[in-house]
Amino acid sequence: GAVVSQHPSWVICKSGTSVKIECRSLDFQATTMFWYRQFPKQSLMLMATSNEGSKATYEQGVEKDKFLINHASLTLSTLTVTSAHPEDSSFYICSARGGSIYNEQFFGPGTRLTVL
Amino acid sequence: GQNIDQPTEMTATEGAIVQINCTYQTSGFNGLFWYQQHAGEAPTFLSYNVLDGLEEKGRFSSFLSRSKGYSYLLLKELQMKDSASYLCAVGGATNKLIFGTGTLLAVQP
Repeated sequence: GAVVSQHPSWVICKSGTSVKIECRSLDFQATTMFWYRQFPKQSLMLMATSNEGSKATYEQGVEKDKFLINHASLTLSTLTVTSAHPEDSSFYICSARGGSIYNEQFFGPGTRLTVL
Repeated sequence: GQNIDQPTEMTATEGAIVQINCTYQTSGFNGLFWYQQHAGEAPTFLSYNVLDGLEEKGRFSSFLSRSKGYSYLLLKELQMKDSASYLCAVGGATNKLIFGTGTLLAVQP
């Protein structure tokens, strides 16, 4: 099946710093990638839809200036959490669509962000 | 509005059968997906229904009734490794996935 990777798998940072998370589709081209956030014991909440070569589309309530998304190529999207604060601590998961007859989303392994 | 409902938790016995229900109300429908998620890991795809009826894949089956806004995931011959969260997700009008809250299944010996 299609493989999506994320890097880093976990990161701990100080409050006020910025953190970049990479999402790559390894064996297929993904014109669309999605970024989700998941708090403990809760479901996935879509943050934004990332389209290659264009601006990301953010969900209501998600600050686009705080969560910067860049989809520079058909296999790479990045999420930068700027000026991170403890409330941004969460599990961030990306997904990419394509590479299958079901057109389902394939998820990366997630990035655990802890802001001290 | 958009709403997807699943039971929060379920418990079943190893070797048994369990059915996880999902009801939805969404603007637009491009199929219903079931994902399995183990704690601390990303979701993995289990099944996809876009037409009414039952889709069977080994020990897992998924059913859809579009008129009722209802789906279920059926797990047979339960194994301990099936203990996980099961997420119901609907493909919305813009092909985004809208996730339910997930059902945490505990399989007991």
